[in-house]
Amino acid sequence: EVQLLESGGGLVQPGGSLRLSCAASGFTFSSFAMNWVRQAPGKGLEWVSVISDSGGNTYYAASVKGRFTISRDNSQNTLYLQMNSLRADDTAVYYCAKGGSTVYNWFDPWGQGTLVTVSS
Amino acid sequence: QSVLTQPPSASGTPGQRVTISCSGSSSNIGTNYVYWYQQLPGTAPKLLIYRNNQRPSGVPDRFSGSKSGTSASLAISGLRSEDEADYYCAAWDDSLSGHVFGTGTKVTVL
Repeated sequence: EVQLLESGGGLVQPGGSLRLSCAASGFTFSSFAMNWVRQAPGKGLEWVSVISDSGGNTYYAASVKGRFTISRDNSQNTLYLQMNSLRADDTAVYYCAKGGSTVYNWFDPWGQGTLVTVSS
Repeated sequence: QSVLTQPPSASGTPGQRVTISCSGSSSNIGTNYVYWYQQLPGTAPKLLIYRNNQRPSGVPDRFSGSKSGTSASLAISGLRSEDEADYYCAAWDDSLSGHVFGTGTKVTVL
């Protein structure tokens, strides 16, 4: 069974940094692209970033480009999201989601999410 | 800011058919596959439809997807109370070089 377990969320002050992790199991992690998707309280889904299976290609939403960095450790089956210069509008539940063999594919399944709150 | 436009709400009585639209552009729906996700209250989203009209195993055939030009639709036939959820369309956008989601549609079973 595919499992994705996010961690690292919490309360951080504006301008601060946070690193999220997503531990994957139940599939060959190194063969699939991985995504981060977020959902602000009471709002819709917003795609954040995707990384290819090898880690060689990454893409970001305009709202986070230059502030967030997606990475992966295929030896540890773990996905990361380094978030810097955090703003109040980054407050959201962050989900990691398994992609397909390319970065263009659907998200399935999703983790349970980790809440990031940016506030002073 | 969502690039794909959906109606904010849809509703129906048990057994009815409900259709949700998703409007995009030539850079997303017009040239790439459409996906649909269901988010039950308080839970993570779940894949409902992939590659425009394909259902993952375990998804009832009451759910169907279609695409025409720069628009797509999700139909739920034989509506059931457990279908009450938020539904989102999504696609890759070639101009933005990223995935885009729809604005989301809340389905209510009356």
